[in-house]
Amino acid sequence: EVQLVESGGGLVQPGGSLRLSCAASGFTFSRYGMQWVRQAPGKGLEYVSAISSNGGSTYYASSVKGRFTISRDNSKNTLYLQMGSLRAEDMAVYYCARDQDYDFWSGYGMDVWGQGTTVTVSS
Amino acid sequence: QSVLTQPPSASGTPGQRVTISCSGSSSNIGSNTVDWYQQLPGTAPKLLIYSNNQRPSGVPDRFSGSRSGTSASLAISGLQSEDEADYYCAAWDDSLSGGVFGGGTKLTVL
Repeated sequence: EVQLVESGGGLVQPGGSLRLSCAASGFTFSRYGMQWVRQAPGKGLEYVSAISSNGGSTYYASSVKGRFTISRDNSKNTLYLQMGSLRAEDMAVYYCARDQDYDFWSGYGMDVWGQGTTVTVSS
Repeated sequence: QSVLTQPPSASGTPGQRVTISCSGSSSNIGSNTVDWYQQLPGTAPKLLIYSNNQRPSGVPDRFSGSRSGTSASLAISGLQSEDEADYYCAAWDDSLSGGVFGGGTKLTVL
């Protein structure tokens, strides 16, 4: 079964750090672009960060650039999002999602999503 | 304020056909393809339409997408109660150099 499972969410104080993980199974992880999409409570979807299949290309939304770092370990079939200098506005459910191609936002859509992990930023 | 504009709500009765619009600009919908996602309550989004009008395998042909100029539409025919969900359009924006989502449309089946 094709599956993505996020972990690493939790409660963190403003200014703190957190690392999210997304474990992939059931497909050849190294062949696909991957991305992180978040959803604040009661709000819509926001495209946060993305990485190509070989890690050579990355993308960051302006809202997180300089604070978040996306990476992947194809030997471990795992995607990561290192989050730093966290703010209240970063509080959201974070989903990892697979693109249907080697690159991210390929035009073929994000066809596999994890169940999400919740990040709460509060003192 | 989302770069892509969707109506906040839409509704229809079982069996009816409903459409959801997504308005953008020349830097996003006008020059790039549009995807649509369905998010059932309490669940992760699901890819419904990609590349304007392509359905992933497993998506019923009751769902269809189209694009014209700087706008796109999602049509749902033969509306069913299980279609009650939030729907999001998405496109790459060349000016922002990033992916953007619409604000979402909550579909209610009356």
